[in-house]
Amino acid sequence: NAGVTQTPKFQVLKTGQSMTLQCAQDMNHNSMYWYRQDPGMGLRLIYYSASEGTTDKGEVPNGYNVSRLNKREFSLRLESAAPSQTSVYFCASSEGLVRTEDEKLFFGSGTQLSVL
Amino acid sequence: GEDVEQSLFLSVREGDSSVINCTYTDSSSTYLYWYKQEPGAGLQLLTYIFSNMDMKQDQRLTVLLNKKDKHLSLRIADTQTGDSAIYFCAESTPWRDDKIIFGKGTRLHILP
Repeated sequence: NAGVTQTPKFQVLKTGQSMTLQCAQDMNHNSMYWYRQDPGMGLRLIYYSASEGTTDKGEVPNGYNVSRLNKREFSLRLESAAPSQTSVYFCASSEGLVRTEDEKLFFGSGTQLSVL
Repeated sequence: GEDVEQSLFLSVREGDSSVINCTYTDSSSTYLYWYKQEPGAGLQLLTYIFSNMDMKQDQRLTVLLNKKDKHLSLRIADTQTGDSAIYFCAESTPWRDDKIIFGKGTRLHILP
């Protein structure tokens, strides 16, 4: 049981390049999330998808787009990467939106992105 | 807006108890969580507490909630080298929005 799988694990981009971070979960979860983790800043929510076909902005959505391709997959796209987007990106999923104590987040292992 | 605060570092000797503290601002916070992040890995849920509880114990872990002071703590008894990680406090309030708000994380360092 793989859980939440993110690719790639590491990526280096030049300013202005574009790329897509892929995330897939095999737990039949309805909700998926993208976070970024920066030193001293903790985790900040970029976008989330409550269910297939819906996406909503989180705390720091600027410079990013997302696609909920199907129930399993939720991708994060950087159209024109900037050095400020250097970060570790985590995908997470939960059975539903976190509305009960049973709905916990399961995280992928992260993508370390550097933008030069 | 909602905020969750933690100290950034804690050093503890192996075998001692570790106490990681957290404060939050939203008095209507309903669910409070502790997540653990080991080096190079994603976060894993350690334990959680519902706001109508004031204590929860799970093996070496004890969570204390002081709702009046909006203070949450995680106590790890008999701290081991494998407990070395970053610990994140988080809260969610379902009728506020659909988000979990994370603290910045406390890095627990174990001294030999």
